[in-house]
Amino acid sequence: NAGVTQTPKFRVLKTGQSMTLLCAQDMNHEYMYWYRQDPGMGLRLIHYSVGEGTTAKGEVPDGYNVSRLKKQNFLLGLESAAPSQTSVYFCASSRHPWTEQNEQFFGPGTRLTVL
Amino acid sequence: DAKTTQPNSMESNEEEPVHLPCNHSTISGTDYIHWYRQLPSQGPEYVIHGLTSNVNNRMASLAIAEDRKSSTLILHRATLRDAAVYYCILRGSGTYKYIFGTGTRLKVLA
Repeated sequence: NAGVTQTPKFRVLKTGQSMTLLCAQDMNHEYMYWYRQDPGMGLRLIHYSVGEGTTAKGEVPDGYNVSRLKKQNFLLGLESAAPSQTSVYFCASSRHPWTEQNEQFFGPGTRLTVL
Repeated sequence: DAKTTQPNSMESNEEEPVHLPCNHSTISGTDYIHWYRQLPSQGPEYVIHGLTSNVNNRMASLAIAEDRKSSTLILHRATLRDAAVYYCILRGSGTYKYIFGTGTRLKVLA
């Protein structure tokens, strides 16, 4: 199993450009998450999904949109990139949360720079 | 959401035990204590979790204070590969959202 994969690994954008980050998981997990991590800080939740066709806002959703058209994929979109969105983006997935462990499996991250 | 407090950094010698503390004085009775670690240039990975009793697994042990206001992650024999940022996270029962703090950066000295 590949686990959680993210595409691309690196990207440089100019202010105002748009892009989509792709997250894919092959563990048949219901829940998927997008986080961002800024230097010296922990991860902050951007958006999450509790199942195919559903999404919800996390702590820092402004400037991002998401879609979960297929269970295995979770897309994060930036419609008009800003320098404040320069960050490392991590995707994660987990089984149904009504389990004690609820381990989240993380992807390797996408490093995005907005000039 | 209940908050956790961890030291910014710690050092350990290779092959010695490491005790990573976490304070969570506002923990509620149904909050689980989770530990994740993040190796350099990687996403976080699960280490261990517990509710009230001490827990052991192949990676580490988790010691939880009787009043649950603090916990300690124990790495029994630190290796260079254990150098990472360790996050102590509280997760409410029935929720799936983690609140990450800034964690403890562990440096392991050869």
